[in-house]
Amino acid sequence: QITLKESGPTLVKPTQTLTLTCTFSGFSLSTSGVGVGWIRQPPGKALEWLALIYWNDDKRYSPSLKSRLTITKDTSKNQVVLTMTNMDPVDTATYYCAHIGQQWLVYYFDYWGQGTLVTVSS
Amino acid sequence: DIQMTQSPSSLSASVGDRVTITCRASQSISSYLNWYQQKPGKAPKLLIYAASSLQSGVPSRFSGSGSGTDFTLTISSLQPEDFATYYCQQSYSTLLTFGPGTKVDIK
Repeated sequence: QITLKESGPTLVKPTQTLTLTCTFSGFSLSTSGVGVGWIRQPPGKALEWLALIYWNDDKRYSPSLKSRLTITKDTSKNQVVLTMTNMDPVDTATYYCAHIGQQWLVYYFDYWGQGTLVTVSS
Repeated sequence: DIQMTQSPSSLSASVGDRVTITCRASQSISSYLNWYQQKPGKAPKLLIYAASSLQSGVPSRFSGSGSGTDFTLTISSLQPEDFATYYCQQSYSTLLTFGPGTKVDIK
């Protein structure tokens, strides 16, 4: 079965760079059509899509955060890494990674990690 | 960007009620619309994809409809486990966006 798990620091200081790792099993990012995305959720607020990466290394970023985000994949390790630069307290959120499924060219997040809470504070 | 709105932002309902949540896109997105359910402290769960297709394992009391800019999620008979927040999400654009959510709580 497909599982994903996020890992990384729980606390970062303002201006620091956040690096989060999504380690997954049950699928391969070298398989055609497969993708992984990152989504975050500030406490008590809505979901916000951040970035995604596909098997062919096609990458997409949220326009509002594009300058601060980098997404990469390590197919051999079954991992996807998200880095976010210049962290600010408003970036405090639970960060999720999710598997991207698709049917009839409609893409959706069908499997999610448990999420990891990242707090930005000095 | 394609902006998504949802209405209402919250609603109170009783077990057994029929509940309808609306999602609207800022431009036509055909049927590239998905619905998620999220309970407190948990990751979102996919309910409906492609506007009206029920994800495997999701109870049949959930249904979705719509195309273009207007979509609805309907719960035909609300159950205790359905009290949660519901989000729509478009994938017409490769720059994905979620709606602001609709919280369904107990009346």
